[in-house]
Amino acid sequence: KQEVTQIPAALSVPEGENLVLNCSFTDSAIYNLQWFRQDPGKGLTSLLLIQSSQREQTSGRLNASLDKSSGRSTLYIAASQPGDSATYLCAVPLKTSYDKVIFGPGTSLSVIP
Amino acid sequence: ETGVTQSPTHLIKTRGQQVTLRCSSQSGHNTVSWYQQALGQGPQFIFQYYREEENGRGNFPPRFSGLQFPNYSSELNVNALELDDSALYLCASSSGTSGRNEQFFGPGTRLTVL
Repeated sequence: KQEVTQIPAALSVPEGENLVLNCSFTDSAIYNLQWFRQDPGKGLTSLLLIQSSQREQTSGRLNASLDKSSGRSTLYIAASQPGDSATYLCAVPLKTSYDKVIFGPGTSLSVIP
Repeated sequence: ETGVTQSPTHLIKTRGQQVTLRCSSQSGHNTVSWYQQALGQGPQFIFQYYREEENGRGNFPPRFSGLQFPNYSSELNVNALELDDSALYLCASSSGTSGRNEQFFGPGTRLTVL
């Protein structure tokens, strides 16, 4: 059974710091891994999608890596800004007869000006 | 290109009532997935519709049902509402089944059951 965990559950950093969010999954038979951002009470915004054959993806100040063999992904945010404050979730689809997607519980990030 | 839209934005119901939530998929997408997100938790997969057929279901009882229409928009119906059904309901669309393809989410419907 695929289980997805995220560490830390919450993080508070001063503006300008570089930070790393962690996502772990137990079943390495995945198609891809997707990182999302969620503002309070809102829907999810897709940040990065890493295919299982890739090692990393970059978009602006965001860089996500994927190590399938160890069941881990990290999201690196460079030069954090107060506007980065949100909950960050990772999601992993299962390779089953249908493609069920499992989400982690999220990391709540607060960037202090 | 129009993104994923959901209606209504907020809804208040009482226990035992029935509710219908709606989702319009992004242009060109034929797959819609529905998720329930309780406060402080990650979204939980309810079910997925691909080309008007249910294509997979999570651990939700039969009183959660859905439809997908020829234009690929979708409805989520919940009968006999319970207090624990209070949550943010998210739909996501993708081009092809959700596991293989990037999902794009709507803004959600906040359901409160009193």
